[in-house]
Amino acid sequence: AQSVAQPEDQVNVAEGNPLTVKCTYSVSGNPYLFWYVQYPNRGLQFLLKYITGDNLVKGSYGFEAEFNKSQTSFHLKKPSALVSDSALYFCAVRALTGGFKTIFGAGTRLFVKA
Amino acid sequence: DAGVIQSPRHEVTEMGQEVTLRCKPISGHDYLFWYRQTMMRGLELLIYFNNNVPIDDSGMPEDRFSAKMPNASFSTLKIQPSEPRDSAVYFCASSYLASNEQFFGPGTRLTVL
Repeated sequence: AQSVAQPEDQVNVAEGNPLTVKCTYSVSGNPYLFWYVQYPNRGLQFLLKYITGDNLVKGSYGFEAEFNKSQTSFHLKKPSALVSDSALYFCAVRALTGGFKTIFGAGTRLFVKA
Repeated sequence: DAGVIQSPRHEVTEMGQEVTLRCKPISGHDYLFWYRQTMMRGLELLIYFNNNVPIDDSGMPEDRFSAKMPNASFSTLKIQPSEPRDSAVYFCASSYLASNEQFFGPGTRLTVL
C-alpha cells in the first residue's frame, strides 16, 4: 500500500533563511510526487510535481523539491523564506499502477517569522 | 476558466438531515475527486471518478455517504442521514489525466449539530 510521511507537524524559520519541509513516501513501482500548499480557508494549490526526468524540480513561488529514489524522499525547499510562505504544506504520492488514487501526507505547517 | 466550483460554501444542518454538496469541475478535466478534511484525520480521499465513472469509493465512510457524477460538468456528494461526526470541510478536485496535478475547489464547510 502506498503511504506518505511528513515527519514534522511544524517548521519554523526566519525570513530570508532557507527552508526545508520533509516528505518520505512508500509506493510500489514508480511514483508521481506532488507538493501542494493550503492557505487558511482555501483549497489546496499545486506547487510542483515529479513525474520523471531531472531529480530537481522547480515550481511556483520559488519552491523546488528534490526526488531521491534511494531514500524515497521528496523534500520541499526554498532558498530564502518569506513571511507570506507561512501556510500548510502537503506532500502527495500517486502510484502508476493499481489505480490512480492520490495519497496525501498529514501536512506540515510552515511558520516564517519576520 | 473559473476553476473548480463548489456549493454551498457553508452548510449548517441538524443531525438526521440530508446534505447534498455540489461540484463543477474544470471543463475538459477527466478525473474528479472528493476529499474530506478534519483536524483529527487530515485530508482523506472519499471517492474519485474517471470520465464520470466511479473508480474507487473505498474511502467512503459508510453507506450514509453516496456520490454521483451524472455528466462531465457536475458531481454531488450526499450524506443521508447526517451525523455530528460528519462535520468537516469537503473538497472537490479535478485533474486532466492521471499524471497531472489536481485543482481544488474552495471547499464546503459542513457543520452538523
